[in-house]
Amino acid sequence: ILNVEQSPQSLHVQEGDSTNFTCSFPSSNFYALHWYRWETAKSPEALFVMTLNGDEKKKGRISATLNTKEGYSYLYIKGSQPEDSATYLCAFSGGGADGLTFGKGTHLIIQP
Amino acid sequence: NAGVMQNPRHLVRRRGQEARLRCSPMKGHSHVYWYRQLPEEGLKFMVYLQKENIIDESGMPKERFSAEFPKEGPSILRIQQVVRGDSAAYFCASSPRQAFFGQGTRLTVV
Repeated sequence: ILNVEQSPQSLHVQEGDSTNFTCSFPSSNFYALHWYRWETAKSPEALFVMTLNGDEKKKGRISATLNTKEGYSYLYIKGSQPEDSATYLCAFSGGGADGLTFGKGTHLIIQP
Repeated sequence: NAGVMQNPRHLVRRRGQEARLRCSPMKGHSHVYWYRQLPEEGLKFMVYLQKENIIDESGMPKERFSAEFPKEGPSILRIQQVVRGDSAAYFCASSPRQAFFGQGTRLTVV
């Protein structure tokens, strides 16, 4: 079983502050790295699919970077808002026929 | 190609009954993941299955919970002798390359 780690597990952030969290994954046999946002009582939303080392993707106030050589990705949220409260999942896809390996998620709570 | 289908969407069970949650993956997908979202908590990984095999069940409670993904038909998450603490939203996803999530089954134990 591949090891995909997300940290921190849980994070409280003051509204308006910026924050970031990490996904680490195997640096060999890389195919793609996925980020999802999962709000309570809703189906998860795909945020980004990243495939190239050095990729940086942005969606509104959320952005993500990718380093495949060292095996990590950062997710950044600028100027956090209450609606950003969710669990953020990353998932690693290797080059074989195996499926995705998910991290356990970072549970983000934005405090007004 | 329909998305990941979960049924039922809502399920009410009395304490002690069995709950069966079904997940039909997208066509051609052989990997299924189950997650549970408890009230006021983030989601928790439960189990990862490929056709006829359990790959990772590290998030499954040791008692009363089981999952299967047979060669034919949907993946089933089975909860025996449900208790109030099992009330949650249960989501499944299928892949291989990108995960697609179902709408979830909301289980209420009364």
